[in-house]
Order: sequence, then structure tokens, then C-alpha cells
Amino acid sequence: GQNIDQPTEMTATEGAIVQINCTYQTSGFNGLFWYQQHAGEAPTFLSYNVLDGLEEKGRFSSFLSRSKGYSYLLLKELQMKDSASYLCAVRDHGNTGFQKLVFGTGTRLLVSP
Amino acid sequence: DGGITQSPKYLFRKEGQNVTLSCEQNLNHDAMYWYRQDPGQGLRLIYYSQIVNDFQKGDIAEGYSVSREKKESFPLTVTSAQKNPTAFYLCASMTGDNSNQPQHFGDGTRLSIL
Repeated sequence: GQNIDQPTEMTATEGAIVQINCTYQTSGFNGLFWYQQHAGEAPTFLSYNVLDGLEEKGRFSSFLSRSKGYSYLLLKELQMKDSASYLCAVRDHGNTGFQKLVFGTGTRLLVSP
Repeated sequence: DGGITQSPKYLFRKEGQNVTLSCEQNLNHDAMYWYRQDPGQGLRLIYYSQIVNDFQKGDIAEGYSVSREKKESFPLTVTSAQKNPTAFYLCASMTGDNSNQPQHFGDGTRLSIL
């Protein structure tokens, strides 16, 4: 089966660093994506990992360990506009070979002054 | 500019009525997807299609139907069999290969019951 776990909610202070964890179990792993979603809007792409290690993109970094089924999204120098939900999604080709993204329930991050 | 267009932005359904949500993409993507999102929840897959004239049920397909007659279009019909249709519906598309290209989303349709 497929299972993706993320914390439901996190809080942090403006200017701080926060790490959002994601653990997963899938039958046919083929990459992991992180998305940001503000309330009432569509998700927007943040990062992609398919090999183990850290991918850095400005204030955002994402890490993957395939052997542990684990990823994290690191947000540095937090800003108020970073208050949003962060979705972890695993690309899975499953048994049919069709590729689809399986989403976690998302982590709601609240950044306070 | 390439992208995904969903319409309408807001939709109201009367009891017993079928409604159709439109999704059009000009990204030349092979794969298209429909998700449902309830307040405070993640995205749940309704249907997906890898190629024209073929589609697969996702995790919550009951009460929904789709068609994929053209590569650019993947409309979703919410039938009267779906007893709790109030939700935010997102359409997405993706290349069919193993590239690092992400899934692109439309702006969503918010469906409510009258």
C-alpha cells in the first residue's frame, strides 16, 4: 500500500528555521515533490528529489533518504508569507506502470512575528 | 503562456443534478489528474489519465466520471450519486516520463450544494 505521513501543524517565528518531515511507504518510488499551498489556492511546486541528498534552492532546501523512506523540507529566514500548508508528494508508478503523485495530508505552518 | 485552465471557479449543484468541471491544458502533457480537497485535508485522487481515450480510477472515484477524448481536455462530472460533493477540486497535468518536471495545477473549482 501507500502511506505518507507529515505533522499536521507547526509554528515558528519570523527569521527562524523550520524543518518539516515526511515519511513514506510506496510500492514503486520514483521521486518526491514538495509543494506549498496557501489557503484557497492551488499548490505551487517547491522542490524535487529522486536521489539521496540535499537539494538547495534559495531559502528552501529538501533532503531525501530512500533507504529510510524519509524526506524533509527546510525553510530558512522565515517570512510571514511562508505561512501556508506544505504538501509532501511521492511519485509512484505502482503495479500498472502509470505514474501518479500520492500526497500527504500536508503540514500547516504558522509563522508569527 | 502554457498552463492549466479550470472553469468555473465557483459552482453550485442542486440535489439530483450532475455537474461538469472543465479542465484544459496547453502544456502538451500526456498525463492528467483530478483531485478533491476537503477543508484542512490533503489531496485525494479521483481519476487520472495517462493517454487519450484511457483513464484509471483513483482512490475516491465513486460518484464521479471522466472522459479523455482530447489530449488537452479532461472534464470531470460530479454525478448525483456523489452525496457529499462540497469540496475544492483541482486538476493537474504532468509529463508522462521520469523527468524532474513537477505536476502543474489549475486554480481549482470550488463546488457547493444549494
